Amino acid sequence: DVKVTQSSRYLVKRTGEKVFLECVQDMDHENMFWYRQDPGLGLRLIYFSYDVKMKEKGDIPEGYSVSREKKERFSLILESASTNQTSMYLCASSLVAYGYTFGSGTRLTVV
Amino acid sequence: QKEVEQNSGPLSVPEGAIASLNCTYSDRGSQSFFWYRQYSGKSPELIMSIYSNGDKEDGRFTAQLNKASQYVSLLIRDSQPSDSATYLCAVRESDSSASKIIFGSGTRLSIRP
Repeated sequence: DVKVTQSSRYLVKRTGEKVFLECVQDMDHENMFWYRQDPGLGLRLIYFSYDVKMKEKGDIPEGYSVSREKKERFSLILESASTNQTSMYLCASSLVAYGYTFGSGTRLTVV
Repeated sequence: QKEVEQNSGPLSVPEGAIASLNCTYSDRGSQSFFWYRQYSGKSPELIMSIYSNGDKEDGRFTAQLNKASQYVSLLIRDSQPSDSATYLCAVRESDSSASKIIFGSGTRLSIRP
């Protein structure tokens, strides 16, 4: 089974901190994605990557950046955390033409 | 703007009955369709994929696809309390470099004993 591992299940950070969320997949998938999920708003795509060092903005990239230096790892960076970035963050990976496999999620609280 | 539409529910179904979840999508060129199940506080889990018109069965689950009507459905037979979850319909974009998937907002299903 494909495994997508997110480094933290719960995280509490202070406003203004730089926050790194890490995601690692073990099945050589080309595509990786970062979503946030908030009640009533569904899944919203932040950034995605279809190859090493390649990245594209999703629907809500403001306040975020990403890094993909190796195929298996896709990092989401909150440059200066704000309270409106409190959310559940979900990483996913896929092969072309197949469905996504999601990680278990990181529930981030910014205080 | 490509969209995937679902009724948010909640849909309440008695235990043992058939639960029917529906979804429409706007991207006529889409070729890949998925159903995810998400328990409260957990991440989405892929339960069905369908790529051609007609029915696809896997255990108690049947996915149905009608590309002409741009309609996807999921039937759950012999519903169990453990099926209570939010079900997300998802459609792959036809023109995406990274095979992006568009998700519906989900239908909350509740199976009453």
